[in-house]
Amino acid sequence: AQSVTQLDSQVPVFEEAPVELRCNYSSSVSVYLFWYVQYPNQGLQLLLKYLSGSTLVKGINGFEAEFNKSQTSFHLRKPSVHISDTAEYFCAVSLVDDKIIFGKGTRLHILP
Amino acid sequence: NAGVMQNPRHLVRRRGQEARLRCSPMKGHSHVYWYRQLPEEGLKFMVYLQKENIIDESGMPKERFSAEFPKEGPSILRIQQVVRGDSAAYFCASSGGQRNTEAFFGQGTRLTVV
Repeated sequence: AQSVTQLDSQVPVFEEAPVELRCNYSSSVSVYLFWYVQYPNQGLQLLLKYLSGSTLVKGINGFEAEFNKSQTSFHLRKPSVHISDTAEYFCAVSLVDDKIIFGKGTRLHILP
Repeated sequence: NAGVMQNPRHLVRRRGQEARLRCSPMKGHSHVYWYRQLPEEGLKFMVYLQKENIIDESGMPKERFSAEFPKEGPSILRIQQVVRGDSAAYFCASSGGQRNTEAFFGQGTRLTVV
């Protein structure tokens, strides 16, 4: 069965430091990959997506992610975080039947 | 994502009552997903619908929960005889139905069962 694993439930990072949020997936077929962000008391919004082509994908707010097929990973990175990046981040995969499966999320805490 | 409208934003129900959550997808979208979010548990898939059809309801509890997406009007998630454990945030998302388009989310309905 397809699944998405976000290894870290919480990640504390000092402001202006780099961050990497990890995501691994399992699927026997090709997938499309997404990262969503959820700010407090809001719905989810798309950060970036990988469909095909270049394995390095750039998104909004300075985030980027790299698709690694051999490691079945799609880690999210930002070189320098800000207080405003405090949120929960969800990795997701889109399956052949259009169903979207989400990971459990990673809470990013920005420390002053 | 402001195009996906969920109402109400907050819903309080006593145990045993019915809860009806509504979701109007973005214009032109014919696919709707419902997810439940519990504290510290992330998003859990419940059901995936297209107009007048349930495509996948593998995440729906077997009893008390039902969903529909009629030809006209919003998608409805209905919870009968609510219990305290149903308290959660319920999110709706819509998409155009092709794998290379992302899902757009509503603001969610926060259900509290007292």
